[in-house]
Amino acid sequence: GQSLEQPSEVTAVEGAIVQINCTYQTSGFYGLSWYQQHDGGAPTFLSYNALDGLEETGRFSSFLSRSDSYGYLLLQELQMKDSASYFCAVRDNAAGTALIFGKGTTLSVSS
Amino acid sequence: NAGVTQTPKFRVLKTGQSMTLLCAQDMNHEYMYWYRQDPGMGLRLIHYSVGEGTTAKGEVPDGYNVSRLKKQNFLLGLESAAPSQTSVYFCASSVRLHEQYFGPGTRLTVT
Repeated sequence: GQSLEQPSEVTAVEGAIVQINCTYQTSGFYGLSWYQQHDGGAPTFLSYNALDGLEETGRFSSFLSRSDSYGYLLLQELQMKDSASYFCAVRDNAAGTALIFGKGTTLSVSS
Repeated sequence: NAGVTQTPKFRVLKTGQSMTLLCAQDMNHEYMYWYRQDPGMGLRLIHYSVGEGTTAKGEVPDGYNVSRLKKQNFLLGLESAAPSQTSVYFCASSVRLHEQYFGPGTRLTVT
């Protein structure tokens, strides 16, 4: 079956850099997605990695290593507004044309 | 362009009652999804659709039914509500599987 593992909580201070890891186990692999969700709000798409390496989008970057079944989301120059939950997600053959989401990592940014 | 909208935003049901949640999208997306989110459980897929007239089961389909009679609408039905169905329900749509657009959610309480 499929599984995704990510830390449940991460804390950091404003201006710092934080890395949120995600390891996955799937039957077939099509890429790793990342979503952000502020408390009570709708999840929003952040990034997608289909190939190994680093994808950069402003202060956020996402990395994938398919050989290690591992990826991470890197948040730089942290701001208070980055306090949110972050989910990694993958497609799995057993799930059909759908994504399986991790349980999420709650990031708390303090001043 | 409203994106993905969900109706209603809040609902309280008594055990055994039925209801239908409506999801509408104006982006002409083929794929639509229904998720439920419970504390500490991340997003779990209930049912999904890859096009008008098609539906498929997700990870947690029991107790729910869906219909996709029109491309822009995806309905989620609860025939006989149970307290275990108390949750936040999110609808999403997409062109590409990995980049989904979510609605604001429906908060359902079953007493």
